[in-house]
Amino acid sequence: AQSVTQLDSQVPVFEEAPVELRCNYSSSVSVYLFWYVQYPNQGLQLLLKYLSGSTLVKSINGFEAEFNKSQTSFHLRKPSVHISDTAEYFCAVSQSGSQGNLIFGKGTKLSVKP
Amino acid sequence: NAGVMQNPRHLVRRRGQEARLRCSPMKGHSHVYWYRQLPEEGLKFMVYLQKENIIDESGMPKERFSAEFPKEGPSILRIQQVVRGDSAAYFCASSTRLQETQYFGPGTRLLVL
Repeated sequence: AQSVTQLDSQVPVFEEAPVELRCNYSSSVSVYLFWYVQYPNQGLQLLLKYLSGSTLVKSINGFEAEFNKSQTSFHLRKPSVHISDTAEYFCAVSQSGSQGNLIFGKGTKLSVKP
Repeated sequence: NAGVMQNPRHLVRRRGQEARLRCSPMKGHSHVYWYRQLPEEGLKFMVYLQKENIIDESGMPKERFSAEFPKEGPSILRIQQVVRGDSAAYFCASSTRLQETQYFGPGTRLLVL
């Protein structure tokens, strides 16, 4: 069965510092990978996704994630965070060829301090 | 193009009452997914529907929960005889077709007193 592990439940960082939010998955078949962001009391917004092709994917607001098949990881990184990046980040996986339902990690709360 | 819409945004029910949660997918989307987010947890898949069909309900509790997506109108998640453990945020997502990116609504936060 598929599963997603987000190793850090909370990550506090100072503004302009780099950050990495870790995500590992387990699956015996090909997967699609996603990062969603959730601001307080709001729904999830798609941040970036990996479906195929280049293993490095980027969002419009400076985040990037790299699909590493050998390590079954899809870590999210940003070289310099802003206060406005404070939110909860969810990694999710969908099994290719499946019905498409997403399996989510438990989330990582990113707290950016001035 | 309006996003996924859910209503109500907040719903308070007493134990034993019924809760009806509505989801209108994005225009052109015919696939709807429901997820539940318990406090301090990630989202858990509940059910996947296409128009007039339940495709996958493997994540739905066996009793009291049902979902539909009629030919006309929004998708409905119905919880009968609610209990305190049903208190959670319920999110709907939609996509244009299978395996396409899912776009989420703002959620309905259900509180059972």
